[in-house]
Amino acid sequence: SQKIEQNSEALNIQEGKTATLTCNYTNYSPAYLQWYRQDPGRGPVFLLLIRENEKEKRKERLKVTFDTTLKQSLFHITASQPADSATYLCGDTGRRALTFGSGTRLQVQP
Amino acid sequence: DAGVTQSPTHLIKTRGQQVTLRCSPKSGHDTVSWYQQALGQGPQFIFQYYEEEERQRGNFPDRFSGHQFPNYSSELNVNALLLGDSALYLCASSHQGSGPETQYFGPGTRLLVL
Repeated sequence: SQKIEQNSEALNIQEGKTATLTCNYTNYSPAYLQWYRQDPGRGPVFLLLIRENEKEKRKERLKVTFDTTLKQSLFHITASQPADSATYLCGDTGRRALTFGSGTRLQVQP
Repeated sequence: DAGVTQSPTHLIKTRGQQVTLRCSPKSGHDTVSWYQQALGQGPQFIFQYYEEEERQRGNFPDRFSGHQFPNYSSELNVNALLLGDSALYLCASSHQGSGPETQYFGPGTRLLVL
């Protein structure tokens, strides 16, 4: 079956380092992938969208890549800050509604 | 400009009861989607409404039903509640267009079934 998978283990990094989160998809090829940030008890907030024909997308300290060979998207936060601590969700909008991964919790230590 | 709003914020019900959750979309949006998010999991798509009709449905039983009104607001109804229905219910709105629909989420309704 079609799946979006994210590393369910929390990622702990030091402030100022680059955080890299992974999103893998299996058994299909999404045309778009979206990344969202979710804080505890709140709804997800849209961050970036990348199309399958785009290798990379940037927005301020954020960067997303899309590798159709590896069937993978990477989400990078450079110069990370404690305020970046949250759960990050990868979602596919191939069929209008979003299919999300389970999310990866990022903890940035001061 | 108000974003997506949901009511109520929290709700406690007992097994077998019925519940109605409400959502008002972001101004200018015409499409509403509902998601269920269990603790520690990603949101699971329930269904989507556009032009007052259910356009797409996820893998949820018929106990989950919805409605969209002419002003684009929406309701999610869950009948015969089960303990497993306890979750954060998220509403997301978007605008029907030619490209991928970025979704704007509300704060959610936390439902606890006892």
